[in-house]
Amino acid sequence: EDQVTQSPEALRLQEGESSSLNCSYTVSGLRGLFWYRQDPGKGPEFLFTLYSAGEEKEKERLKATLTKKESFLHITAPKPEDSATYLCAVQAEGAQKLVFGQGTRLTINP
Amino acid sequence: EADIYQTPRYLVIGTGKKITLECSQTMGHDKMYWYQQDPGMELHLIHYSYGVNSTEKGDLSSESTVSRIRTEHFPLTLESARPSHTSQYLCASSEGGRGNQPQHFGDGTRLSIL
Repeated sequence: EDQVTQSPEALRLQEGESSSLNCSYTVSGLRGLFWYRQDPGKGPEFLFTLYSAGEEKEKERLKATLTKKESFLHITAPKPEDSATYLCAVQAEGAQKLVFGQGTRLTINP
Repeated sequence: EADIYQTPRYLVIGTGKKITLECSQTMGHDKMYWYQQDPGMELHLIHYSYGVNSTEKGDLSSESTVSRIRTEHFPLTLESARPSHTSQYLCASSEGGRGNQPQHFGDGTRLSIL
């Protein structure tokens, strides 16, 4: 069964303190791995898609990387506005649905 | 920027009422989805559609039903609401084609059944 586990569940950082969020997955052939950001009371906002091991994507202070078993979301010099829950999801080959992890709740203190 | 709209944003209603949650997208996407999300929990797929007149049930069993009569519209209906239906319902859409296009989400409907 396809599965996604995100760690840590919650992370509190000081402004400017870089760190990484982890997404471990098991899937029967990866069609795509997706990162989303979700603010309280809002729907998930799409950040990145990664398709194959070794791929990297960047957007402002965020960088997503992918191996055959996990993905990392690196956040460099974060600001308070980066506070949100970050969700990871995988799509298996031949499947239409996304399987989501529980998310990492990130808080950046000024 | 994704343009997908859900109404109402919040709904508090009594047991036994019929409810329809609206979802519309202006991107011309073929595929649309309904997810259920409880606080601090994963999103679970309850319905999806590949196009007009196509609907399928997702992994999470749900007493709700959906219809897809127009490309842009994918409403979800509960015939008789119960307290167990209390949750957040998120609608999403994606392009057709190869199938690994990102899904874009609306801001959800937070449903409370008294």
